Amino acid sequence: GAVVSQHPSRVICKSGTSVKIECRSLDFQATTMFWYRQFPKQSLMLMATSNEGSKATYEQGVEKDKFLINHASLTLSTLTVTSAHPEDSSFYICSAQQGAGAGTEAFFGQGTRLTVV
Amino acid sequence: AQSVSQHNHHVILSEAASLELGCNYSYGGTVNLFWYVQYPGQHLQLLLKYFSGDPLVKGIKGFEAEFIKSKFSFNLRKPSVQWSDTAEYFCAVRNQGGKLIFGQGTELSVKP
Repeated sequence: GAVVSQHPSRVICKSGTSVKIECRSLDFQATTMFWYRQFPKQSLMLMATSNEGSKATYEQGVEKDKFLINHASLTLSTLTVTSAHPEDSSFYICSAQQGAGAGTEAFFGQGTRLTVV
Repeated sequence: AQSVSQHNHHVILSEAASLELGCNYSYGGTVNLFWYVQYPGQHLQLLLKYFSGDPLVKGIKGFEAEFIKSKFSFNLRKPSVQWSDTAEYFCAVRNQGGKLIFGQGTELSVKP
């Protein structure tokens, strides 16, 4: 299947700083990318949907000014956690797909473990 | 609101035992159904999917799932598990809007 690479896999940052997470589709053009957050022993919660060249659509309750998403090209989307706090510590996962139809298969990155100290 | 429920949080089996993981969803429209697996330290991988047609779907590594529309269920099965099947399993539903909604996951531990 297609490969989605997420970087970094782990990051530790100080409270108040910003962290950028990259999500790349390596062998296909991802017209749509999704960002999820996963708490321990819980499900993946969709944070936002981004389409190349347009503003991301955020889910209810997700602060768009805190979680900045940029999808500048068909192979790269970034999530920036601004002014991070310990409660932002979590596992962040991206997925990418070519197309937006309900039957389109999504491919997932390996996730980024963010720890804010 | 749409939701996906996985009944078992943690399942422990011995090798060669049969497996069935429950998944129920709440959504009245047309859905696409998925099972994903996440091995320790790895990314989510697609096990199988249902879009239409035969409600019994066969996936990779000997897994299968049955879509029962009347019960809003899509249970995952494997007749004989192996130690290498130890992983977290996620059921997911995609609605017509294109969003994937995940269940809370089931951790499967297979004892050798």
